[in-house]
Amino acid sequence: DIVMTQGALPNPVPSGESASITCQSSKSLLHSNGKTYLNWYLQRPGQSPQLLIYWMSTRASGVSDRFSGSGSGTDFTLKISSVEAEDVGVYYCQQFLEYPRTFGGGTKLELK
Amino acid sequence: EVQLVETGGGLVQPGNSLKLSCATSGFTFSTAWMNWIRQTPGKRLEWLAQIEDKSNNYFISYLESVKGRFTISRDDSKSSVYLQMNNLKEEDTAIYYCTWFAYWGQGTLVTVSS
Repeated sequence: DIVMTQGALPNPVPSGESASITCQSSKSLLHSNGKTYLNWYLQRPGQSPQLLIYWMSTRASGVSDRFSGSGSGTDFTLKISSVEAEDVGVYYCQQFLEYPRTFGGGTKLELK
Repeated sequence: EVQLVETGGGLVQPGNSLKLSCATSGFTFSTAWMNWIRQTPGKRLEWLAQIEDKSNNYFISYLESVKGRFTISRDDSKSSVYLQMNNLKEEDTAIYYCTWFAYWGQGTLVTVSS
């Protein structure tokens, strides 16, 4: 199985500052079709996870352009520019290249 | 508006069974590949199973650790997907979500305890 490993944030993050969340996969998620099979989710307190980014860097419908995804085949970053109160929660990366689909352990973002 | 509503969770004793249902609306269910994902009390997310659509012969994939105990199925006439869970264990305690692409239901809580 592909193991997804997420980094921690130096919480709390001051409002208006940027934050970067890292994720590493144990196998390259870059497919021969040129697409990278990585999703990012945000789970706000008391809610279901919400898809933010797919194909490593494509924002889902309705997602603020303050969120951006980047990376290589095995190392990924979700950047949040100008953190706001609504960004508080736990962020998860997920690979969908292979079965079983696997998630990172989550990265908590707290606001100062 | 896309909606997914899970039902069927509850308190069950180890070794017993439970069947979860997920009723959907707002999208073309018959062509959707549906998934079940659970979230443990420690907030870990675990993908469990996927069922593809008729054009793919309803192909099914499972997490190895639940294969043989859990069965995913669907009823396109009811726009619903199901998860039959047998021989439940305490470590199956979790919130169970059905998902389609970017959309998740609100989840249903399954507690396995004696």
